[in-house]
Amino acid sequence: DVKVTQSSRYLVKRTGEKVFLECVQDMDHENMFWYRQDPGLGLRLIYFSYDVKMKEKGDIPEGYSVSREKKERFSLILESASTNQTSMYLCASSPGLFPYEQYFGPGTRLTVT
Amino acid sequence: AQKITQTQPGMFVQEKEAVTLDCTYDTSDPSYGLFWYKQPSSGEMIFLIYQGSYDQQNATEGRYSLNFQKARKSANLVISASQLGDSAMYFCAMREGGGGSQGNLIFGKGTKLSVKP
Repeated sequence: DVKVTQSSRYLVKRTGEKVFLECVQDMDHENMFWYRQDPGLGLRLIYFSYDVKMKEKGDIPEGYSVSREKKERFSLILESASTNQTSMYLCASSPGLFPYEQYFGPGTRLTVT
Repeated sequence: AQKITQTQPGMFVQEKEAVTLDCTYDTSDPSYGLFWYKQPSSGEMIFLIYQGSYDQQNATEGRYSLNFQKARKSANLVISASQLGDSAMYFCAMREGGGGSQGNLIFGKGTKLSVKP
């Protein structure tokens, strides 16, 4: 069965802290994605990766960075957390084959105080 | 301009009735794919159904069907015989391009469906 896991369901951090959100998939998928979800705005793509050590900016990369050292793991990093990064963060993966449907993790609700 | 538009922020449906969730899209790419996802209150996004731009028939998956009207650029989700467990947010999404696009999806803002007993 398809499985995407995220390291935490809920996280509370202080302004200025460095925050790591981890995502692991066990489906041998090439592509991985990080989104943030805010009420009324839908899902917005932060970064994606289509191969190990490869990364591409999405629509809202500012304030974030990513790391993909292994195929199954894609990390989102908030270098210096700010209150406007309080949000739900969703990780997804997809095979490198048509039709590229994405499979999502359970999400991490991050609160920055 | 929005690429995916879901005009219904919220909808109610009576249990056991059918419901249609609207989605219109905007693309000039002849090759694209359309997806619907369900997000229950638990937060996880669940893939429901897919329609390719070249598919001749409307996609169906159990109680879910996609009413694909290419000329109108609409891809409405139809849920037949609604169940209480269908109460959730529903997102329409589009992937532009064929192979090699790495599968980036563009999401709409969602429709919150509430099923009444």
